[in-house]
Amino acid sequence: DTVLTQSPALAVSLGQRVTISCRASKSVSTYMHWYQQKSGQQPKLLIYSASNLESGVPSRFSGSGSGTDFTLTIDPVEADDIANYYCQQSNELPFTFGSGTKLEIK
Amino acid sequence: EVQLVESGGGLVKPGSSLKLSCVASGFTFSSYGMHWIRQAPKKGLEWIALIYYDSSNKYYADSVKGRFTISRDNSKNTLYLEMNSLRSEDTAMYYCAKHPRDWGQGVMVTVSS
Repeated sequence: DTVLTQSPALAVSLGQRVTISCRASKSVSTYMHWYQQKSGQQPKLLIYSASNLESGVPSRFSGSGSGTDFTLTIDPVEADDIANYYCQQSNELPFTFGSGTKLEIK
Repeated sequence: EVQLVESGGGLVKPGSSLKLSCVASGFTFSSYGMHWIRQAPKKGLEWIALIYYDSSNKYYADSVKGRFTISRDNSKNTLYLEMNSLRSEDTAMYYCAKHPRDWGQGVMVTVSS
């Protein structure tokens, strides 16, 4: 199985830029997606196929990477961005998720 | 607008069975593969099953293989997850999803004596 590794938590000041990383244990090409999950809600797709912004998602969010190293960038961070962020690969079954990064405000 | 509405969750005892349903609308259900994904309380997301658009192929996570069965009825726009031999570690919110974009609101399954 492809293991995805994320940092558990990040603290950032409002208005600053934050980069959330996701490292895959083997290449997933660009079959990487990013989700935002707020407390009590289902995950929401932000970025698909590594770098494509989902319709309706603010342009403050962007994604990059290919192969094994991927990043989700939020610039600038707003209070509404407080959430857990998950990466997911769909290059091979089983589809796997990272363990999530909790974004906190300093 | 795509809508996915899960139902059938609840509190059950270890070793028992439960069948979840997910009614889809807003898209041509019979043209898409569908997934079940779960999330244990305070934990991360775990993909558990995929069924092709025509039910020709089904795939499972090792954690549920042999106990859970994914199925669909395209005439009813409905996805199912039959869960047998339930364990405490199956306690989770269960989501159906049209990957990667559309998710249901989830249904809670609690396995406890």
